[in-house]
Amino acid sequence: DAGITQSPRHKVTETGTPVTLRCHQTENHRYMYWYRQDPGHGLRLIHYSYGVKDTDKGEVSDGYSVSRSKTEDFLLTLESATSSQTSVYFCAISRDNSYEQYFGPGTRLTVT
Amino acid sequence: GIQVEQSPPDLILQEGANSTLRCNFSDSVNNLQWFHQNPWGQLINLFYIPSGTKQNGRLSATTVATERYSLLYISSSQTTDSGVYFCAVLLVSGSARQLTFGSGTQLTVLP
Repeated sequence: DAGITQSPRHKVTETGTPVTLRCHQTENHRYMYWYRQDPGHGLRLIHYSYGVKDTDKGEVSDGYSVSRSKTEDFLLTLESATSSQTSVYFCAISRDNSYEQYFGPGTRLTVT
Repeated sequence: GIQVEQSPPDLILQEGANSTLRCNFSDSVNNLQWFHQNPWGQLINLFYIPSGTKQNGRLSATTVATERYSLLYISSSQTTDSGVYFCAVLLVSGSARQLTFGSGTQLTVLP
């Protein structure tokens, strides 16, 4: 158990509304990641962070922003949610002495 | 970008059977992981295996980095092995880390 929690676990929202998902870790690892999972696809990287205020884009970053003001929290924001952002969102961490990634339980987001 | 292909896409087994899942990748990678996604959606780490062979109980994995493939072996399968098995490869460049997933193998083990 890598001590990762995600909140909320489920959310239904309307098109055009802002949404923020939170990832919290208890072990103070430097690297944190946000992925999305859609049917027919494996997970795809949205953004990642390699330290407080240090973030970078992944493969599918359009329409998403992130922030990391504390080591333990990594926030993913959809500024104006669209139906194409309906997905399951996973947060992950990797320990400082390893590249291995560990995943949180996921957040199911539905945009209507 | 790097391509990760998994085969077969679907596999149905009788309990007790053995199986081999394959992961091919298109370029050199820094690392490779195998995951099991259970029916509740949880992603479980199976192996972290840039090269060589590892075993954990009924599961084992082999990665041949020079030939750009990895194999996951499941022996004496059980119904609890059902779910989706993902291979993911890691590229590292400075601070950048990109984990790219394959599309997975859906495994169903029948009692």
